[in-house]
Amino acid sequence: QVQLQESGPGLVKPSQTLSLTCAISGDSVSSNTATWNWIRQSPSRGLEWLGRAFYRSTWSTVYALSVKSRITINPDTSKNQVSLQLQSVTPEDTAVYYCAKSSAWEEYVQAWGQGTLVTVSS
Amino acid sequence: QSALTQPASVSGSPGQSITISCTGTSSDVGGYNYVSWYQQHPGKVPKLVIYDVTNRPSGVSSRFSGSKSGNTASLTISGLQAEDEADYFCGSFTKYNSLVFGGGTKLTGL
Repeated sequence: QVQLQESGPGLVKPSQTLSLTCAISGDSVSSNTATWNWIRQSPSRGLEWLGRAFYRSTWSTVYALSVKSRITINPDTSKNQVSLQLQSVTPEDTAVYYCAKSSAWEEYVQAWGQGTLVTVSS
Repeated sequence: QSALTQPASVSGSPGQSITISCTGTSSDVGGYNYVSWYQQHPGKVPKLVIYDVTNRPSGVSSRFSGSKSGNTASLTISGLQAEDEADYFCGSFTKYNSLVFGGGTKLTGL
């Protein structure tokens, strides 16, 4: 059973870069069927899908239009992790950030991390 | 990539049934049988209760059922119990190879 654990700073200053890591256990980040998603949740925006990374003979990423100009999701095969970077943050980016797994042909969240609260404030 | 539309709240009484709607477009809900539903209690991680429109994960009560017609999916909870009081979110795969969620529906009155 896959387990996901997010980690990173809980406080980020406006205009800086939010960086989070998701440690994966019980599965491989390079699995040909797994998809690694980042999702955030705030009272004002609800659940918001941010992007995904997946390996299907080559690595691919897909990003939400709302953050496409600011987001990078990268796999780290040596550590079996996937990271999220969100640049130029504002207080609107304050949210609980989740790492989540879905799969090819199984397009729903099968596993969630516990979530990590990131506050954007000076 | 607009969010799916759900009612902000629905109310029910113990033993009754309620239905929560989730409206999208032909690019998401209407175009794929990849609608899912999640239950979330305060301070907890969302829990999958329905996937692929109608399927229940192992361990989820048969009181939960899902359906879809055109661009609108629905979650029905029958025989409401106190522990069903929670927020419910729908989700869908989209033609952009992304996921999209609804704004969430608060189930109250239990």
